[in-house]
Amino acid sequence: DTAVSQTPKYLVTQMGNDKSIKCEQNLGHDTMYWYKQDSKKFLKIMFSYNNKELIINETVPNRFSPKSPDKAHLNLHINSLELGDSAVYFCASSQPHGINNEQFFGPGTRLTVL
Amino acid sequence: TQLLEQSPQFLSIQEGENLTVYCNSSSVFSSLQWYRQEPGEGPVLLVTVVTGGEVKKLKRLTFQFGDARKDSSLHITAAQPGDTGLYLCAALRGNNRKLIWGLGTSLAVNP
Repeated sequence: DTAVSQTPKYLVTQMGNDKSIKCEQNLGHDTMYWYKQDSKKFLKIMFSYNNKELIINETVPNRFSPKSPDKAHLNLHINSLELGDSAVYFCASSQPHGINNEQFFGPGTRLTVL
Repeated sequence: TQLLEQSPQFLSIQEGENLTVYCNSSSVFSSLQWYRQEPGEGPVLLVTVVTGGEVKKLKRLTFQFGDARKDSSLHITAAQPGDTGLYLCAALRGNNRKLIWGLGTSLAVNP
């Protein structure tokens, strides 16, 4: 039943490691996003894919690499993790032709880098 | 420069009180959305307002879009502990489909 799901929910890892977060949506949406929410709760867009094609790539270190194998999945791989990467990462999707671009969010992945 | 300013940043009130939170900008928006994020969860869309002066009600929540489509308010009547959460506004400008997000108002309603 879950509309947008992410795994894992929690991720604790050491600095320098490589990790991935997975996202899937069953809403039939064409557009998917990755957001980062820091400790001050600011929600910052990182990437957006439309039908597997990258359309938004904000100023994000190239250690972050999104991959969209199909339009229902958008994964995020992070290389050489740093302390500042600790945050909650949200996946979201939106309707293909929704004029207001309303977002449907996953439950988030809390990443802690030690 | 933050395009969408939300105020207050934090609000702690007693159950039963009324409150209003604001989302302001100097820019004109084509539409504006309000989301609520509960602790440990992702934001959930509450409402979208599109027309200047529009008022929408969702039970005890009343949303208004400014006449000039530059600002919005959310009024909660008789707040309940279940209203606790982070209230985020997000808006679209012109034909740009990238949402602009406010920093949020963190609301705590104490029993």
